[in-house]
Amino acid sequence: QVQLVESGGGLVKPGGSLRLSCAASGFTFGDHYMNWIRQAPGKGLEWVSKISGSGKTIHYADSVRGRFTISRDNAKNSLYLQMNSLRGEDTAMYYCARAFAGSYYELRDWGQGTLVTVSS
Amino acid sequence: DIQMTQSPSSLSASVGDRVTITCRASQSISKYLNWFQQKPGKAPNLLIYGASILQSGVPTRFGGSGSGTDFTLTISSLQPEDFATYYCQQTYTTQWTFGQGTKVEIK
Repeated sequence: QVQLVESGGGLVKPGGSLRLSCAASGFTFGDHYMNWIRQAPGKGLEWVSKISGSGKTIHYADSVRGRFTISRDNAKNSLYLQMNSLRGEDTAMYYCARAFAGSYYELRDWGQGTLVTVSS
Repeated sequence: DIQMTQSPSSLSASVGDRVTITCRASQSISKYLNWFQQKPGKAPNLLIYGASILQSGVPTRFGGSGSGTDFTLTISSLQPEDFATYYCQQTYTTQWTFGQGTKVEIK
């Protein structure tokens, strides 16, 4: 079955960097758009970024563009999020999610999340 | 960005009640609208995609409708396990966006 496992979260100071990873299994990784979605403590969901199966098409939310970089390694079935110039408002649970390669790109599968805390 | 506005932000209901949550997009998104359920401490779970298509394994008491800018999630008879927060999400544009969420609480 589909499994997504995030890692790399932790405590980082404002202005610092962190790299999140998402290990995927149970499906043909390179066939699907992959996403990062975050949720600040007690708040709603915020879509962060997505990358096409080939890695050639990438989109970001305005709130992270220029600071975050999404990438993938299809040989390793892995998705990444490089986060630079971190701010307090980036504190959140970060989820990776698979967009189903059908008509509506619905997010059918999610990982359990990895927590990022930005604080001095 | 397309803004997604859900109403109400929260509601109280009893087991067996019919519950309706609405989601409005700031511009037309055709049927590129998905609904998720999230319980505390858990990842979201897809309920409905394409505005009205029930995800496999989701109980038939959940239903979705709408197109363009106005959408509805209906729970026909609320069950104890349905108390949760519900989010709509659009996948029409390159930047996807979620609604702010609707918390369904026990009356």
